[in-house]
Amino acid sequence: QQQVKQSPQSLIVQKGGISIINCAYENTAFDYFPWYQQFPGKGPALLIAIRPDVSEKKEGRFTISFNKSAKQFSLHIMDSQPGDSATYFCAAGEMDSSYKLIFGSGTRLLVRP
Amino acid sequence: NAGVTQTPKFRILKIGQSMTLQCTQDMNHNYMYWYRQDPGMGLKLIYYSVGAGITDKGEVPNGYNVSRSTTEDFPLRLELAAPSQTSVYFCATLTGVNTEAFFGQGTRLTVV
Repeated sequence: QQQVKQSPQSLIVQKGGISIINCAYENTAFDYFPWYQQFPGKGPALLIAIRPDVSEKKEGRFTISFNKSAKQFSLHIMDSQPGDSATYFCAAGEMDSSYKLIFGSGTRLLVRP
Repeated sequence: NAGVTQTPKFRILKIGQSMTLQCTQDMNHNYMYWYRQDPGMGLKLIYYSVGAGITDKGEVPNGYNVSRSTTEDFPLRLELAAPSQTSVYFCATLTGVNTEAFFGQGTRLTVV
């Protein structure tokens, strides 16, 4: 049973375009929703995160949109750059109880110059 | 301050052999995790620990064992290696305060 479903599996965007990656979760006990960025040969690194008490969080060109009733959240990358080409993972965690952190299957983003 | 250190970086095992993947952190974090990353399958949680002496199963614990005798160390044990355990293994920690998880560089394991 996949607790966090991520789509699309891969994404190609032109430089300057908007990249959108979506995730859906099932467990209503999740209370923390981060996005991680991973470059080849490296471990994932935190990009941006949100708690369910807000519907949107923006940090620079990166925005998380969160829909609690639909149990969905998404990452928007504005003005996408070739340096953004990486694999992106959404995750969901129970940070106020078990501290279990579950990841989605990942999206490989390619930003063409 | 090394952060999260995993050893070895690469390893080839024969079917049925055993090995321990080491993970050490110097950030004094309470929470530690082991994930495996298969191509196109994302990160799957194997085991995690909320503190020394406490461990719990994740999504895919079968074939693995862990221990947490100290805050710093969280080794992952494979007793009877199988080809299905070929993967990249990541260790991660977080404080439980700001909830950012810090990952090691990974161990690439091949079972032949």
